[in-house]
Amino acid sequence: EAAVTQSPRNKVTVTGGNVTLSCRQTNSHNYMYWYRQDTGHGLRLIHYSYGAGNLQIGDVPDGYKATRTTQEDFFLLLELASPSQTSLYFCASSDAYEQYFGPGTRLTVL
Amino acid sequence: GDQVEQSPSALSLHEGTGSALRCNFTTTMRAVQWFQQNSRGSLINLFYLASGTKENGRLKSTFNSKESYSTLHIRDAQLEDSGTYFCAAEGGNTGYQNFYFGKGTSLTVIP
Repeated sequence: EAAVTQSPRNKVTVTGGNVTLSCRQTNSHNYMYWYRQDTGHGLRLIHYSYGAGNLQIGDVPDGYKATRTTQEDFFLLLELASPSQTSLYFCASSDAYEQYFGPGTRLTVL
Repeated sequence: GDQVEQSPSALSLHEGTGSALRCNFTTTMRAVQWFQQNSRGSLINLFYLASGTKENGRLKSTFNSKESYSTLHIRDAQLEDSGTYFCAAEGGNTGYQNFYFGKGTSLTVIP
C-alpha cells in the first residue's frame, strides 16, 4: 500500500507569513495532489503534478504555489498567508488509478 | 457548478441496519473512488471502480458511468462505521488524472 507522509502535521502562522507544506510518497507514483478540506466544501483540489517538474492548476489555486522537485516530493507554498487559508490540507499520490492520502496538515493563519 | 452531488448529507443508522449513499455526476466520469474519513481525520480507501460492482465485507459499491452515478451500500452497520463518507469521481479533459469530490455524507451509527 502507498505510503504518503506530510509535514508538519500542525502549523500556526500569522497573516502575511510564509509557509511551506511538505509531502513525500515512497511508492513511485507519477501523480501527486494537494487538496484543502473545509466544512461544507468537502475536498477541493489546489494543484497537482504528473512527475518531477510538472505542475497542473487545480480548482482553487489562488494564493498557492506548488513545486514537484522529485518523483517523491511535492511542496505547497503559501507566500503571503491569509486567514482564509486556515484549513486542513491533504496530499495524495496516485498510480493513475487509486489515490492514497497522507494524514493531513492542519494550518491556522491568525 | 459542482460536478459531484452526494446524498444524503447526513444519515443516522441503528446498529445492524443498512442504507445506501449516492453520488450523481453532472458529466461523464471515468471512475469513482469511495473513502471513509474517520474521527482522527484520516481518509481510508474503500473502493476504486471503473465500472460494475465491488464488494468488501459489509460494504458494496456500484458505478454506472452511462447513467452517471455511483452508490455505496452499508449493511449491518457497526459503531466503527461512523464517520464521513466521500466519493471522488475521476474525470477532467486535460489528459491528466483529476478527481472531483462530493461534499460527503456524515454517518452516525447509534447503539
